[in-house]
Amino acid sequence: EPEVTQTPSHQVTQMGQEVILRCVPISNHLYFYWYRQILGQKVEFLVSFYNNEISEKSEIFDDQFSVERPDGSNFTLKIRSTKLEDSAMYFCASKGDVGMSSGANVLTFGAGSRLTVL
Amino acid sequence: AQRVTQPEKLLSVFKGAPVELKCNYSYSGSPELFWYVQYSRQRLQLLLRHISRESIKGFTADLNKGETSFHLKKPFAQEEDSAMYYCALTDTGNQFYFGTGTSLTVIP
Repeated sequence: EPEVTQTPSHQVTQMGQEVILRCVPISNHLYFYWYRQILGQKVEFLVSFYNNEISEKSEIFDDQFSVERPDGSNFTLKIRSTKLEDSAMYFCASKGDVGMSSGANVLTFGAGSRLTVL
Repeated sequence: AQRVTQPEKLLSVFKGAPVELKCNYSYSGSPELFWYVQYSRQRLQLLLRHISRESIKGFTADLNKGETSFHLKKPFAQEEDSAMYYCALTDTGNQFYFGTGTSLTVIP
């Protein structure tokens, strides 16, 4: 079964450093997402990406964050200058299509990248 | 605005007992509702969606538009059901809103 893969599984970084989290979505999916989950809290939407541009973003997704699909397969989340409160599990997800058909509107998640900011 | 509410953070039931995980939502249109499950050390995965109207692993969930609820139910809980359960909603099919999750423990 196709999977969304994320690297690294765990990254430890110093406050102020740049971090890039990588995701390889399912190959024929068109919609890509980043979510984060701070320990013990809910899964929070960060950003959605479609047709090579951001389609929606949350208040969390400020100027420190950016996303890119550099080569048609990877989907990256960059945090420019990490803060302590960025420590969380970051989940990538992808989706094939919108609508009511089978498989549409179904998010497939990666295993997550745990970011620890010291 | 809080669109998805899961009032129970923790829920424990005995094996063989019925289980109900509550989910209420607030949305004025016609959202699509989902239950996602996260087993220990595994990724979030879809359990079921309201438009499928199917039972997965013995779980069912009925969308009640009058009560704006989408509670997840299983008549006889099993130990392997122990996991974190998230109710989720999408309006446009673009953005998805998740609840805070309910951690279910099935006691042997």
